[in-house]
Amino acid sequence: GAGVSQSPRYKVAKRGQDVALRCDPISGHVSLFWYQQALGQGPEFLTYFQNEAQLDKSGLPSDRFFAERPEGSVSTLKIQRTQQEDSAVYLCASSLGLVSGNTIYFGEGSWLTVV
Amino acid sequence: RKEVEQDPGPFNVPEGATVAFNCTYSNSASQSFFWYRQDCRKEPKLLMSVYSSGNEDGRFTAQLNRASQYISLLIRDSKLSDSATYLCVVTPRGNTGKLIFGQGTTLQVKP
Repeated sequence: GAGVSQSPRYKVAKRGQDVALRCDPISGHVSLFWYQQALGQGPEFLTYFQNEAQLDKSGLPSDRFFAERPEGSVSTLKIQRTQQEDSAVYLCASSLGLVSGNTIYFGEGSWLTVV
Repeated sequence: RKEVEQDPGPFNVPEGATVAFNCTYSNSASQSFFWYRQDCRKEPKLLMSVYSSGNEDGRFTAQLNRASQYISLLIRDSKLSDSATYLCVVTPRGNTGKLIFGQGTTLQVKP
């Protein structure tokens, strides 16, 4: 389809495992965002890319979280040594450029459960 | 204190009712304002932008009060299909597209 695609859709990880979550933004979209949504909460900003440059990573909760977008298209969010509090939906979003929120498109999310 | 505060509800209303949601934001430099809708186990989707002059889209009316740092959403003639979580969203100063979400208010419309 033409929307933001995320994989895996569902991931169960044992505590201490590393996980990698993939995001395929809409083709041609310059801006890419990662958000974390815990159960019953609104999405929380994690990080933002403009093309391959990571311009804001202020929302990453710890140094166990790492995101990259090496060619300015696909992005990967990596979580090392997962902990139970990492259980959440990880939402990726993209937009055409540096414009206001009404052009931001979200993927369906990757649901991570750490057991 | 969270930057965007909403009453999580749930709001349980009968079909046809009028329901109002409110939200407050703490950063007076916030630049843009939106309501998003999120269905269960789905991604957030833009419902409407919010302006000081107020704006209406069918049964939905949104209003921004910058002086009070207060945003509202009014839904008239509620439908079963309006059942969802409504997220109040602001963007900080600067044009990054970063969104700051409230916790969300859950609406359940009953027949």
